Amino acid sequence: DQQVKQNSPSLSVQEGRISILNCDYTNSMFDYFLWYKKYPAEGPTFLISISSIKDKNEDGRFTVFLNKSAKHLSLHIVPSQPGDSAVYFCAASPSLTQGGSEKLVFGKGTKLTVNP
Amino acid sequence: KAGVTQTPRYLIKTRGQQVTLSCSPISGHRSVSWYQQTPGQGLQFLFEYFSETQRNKGNFPGRFSGRQFSNSRSEMNVSTLELGDSALYLCASSPRGQGGNTIYFGEGSWLTVV
Repeated sequence: DQQVKQNSPSLSVQEGRISILNCDYTNSMFDYFLWYKKYPAEGPTFLISISSIKDKNEDGRFTVFLNKSAKHLSLHIVPSQPGDSAVYFCAASPSLTQGGSEKLVFGKGTKLTVNP
Repeated sequence: KAGVTQTPRYLIKTRGQQVTLSCSPISGHRSVSWYQQTPGQGLQFLFEYFSETQRNKGNFPGRFSGRQFSNSRSEMNVSTLELGDSALYLCASSPRGQGGNTIYFGEGSWLTVV
């Protein structure tokens, strides 16, 4: 049972345009969400996070939106750059409701390609 | 500030052997967790330690074990290795272990079982 789903295995975008990566979750106990960027043979790099008390969080070119009623979050990258090409993972945690556990449940990832 | 450090980066083992992987968290971080990444299963949670105590464990057989030392450094051990244990093993740390923290990952240890 996949609790965090990234339904698009890949996404291709032109440089300068917006990239939108989507993530759905099923477990209503999840209350903290993170996005990571990963290159092959490297560890995931943290990008941005959002807690369930917010519906939007921005950090530079990255914005994450959370729709709790739909159990859906999205990562927007504007403008997209060729260096953004990587696999993006959505992760969720029930941390705030489970006494501080740092367990993350990951989606399968979306491979983003930004074309020059 | 140094990041999460994992050793060794690459290793090859034979079926039936055991392996120990090490992780040094970011200075001041007290929570350490481990993940396995394989092409088929993606990133899966193995276990999490806080103040030398295992707080949470993923759905892995008992051959997978770990521990945390008083300086927050952690090790994980896989005994009686199987071909399917070939994977990237990632260690992650976070500051207070209270939940809602950013979790930072190391570069990983690539294990190949032959």
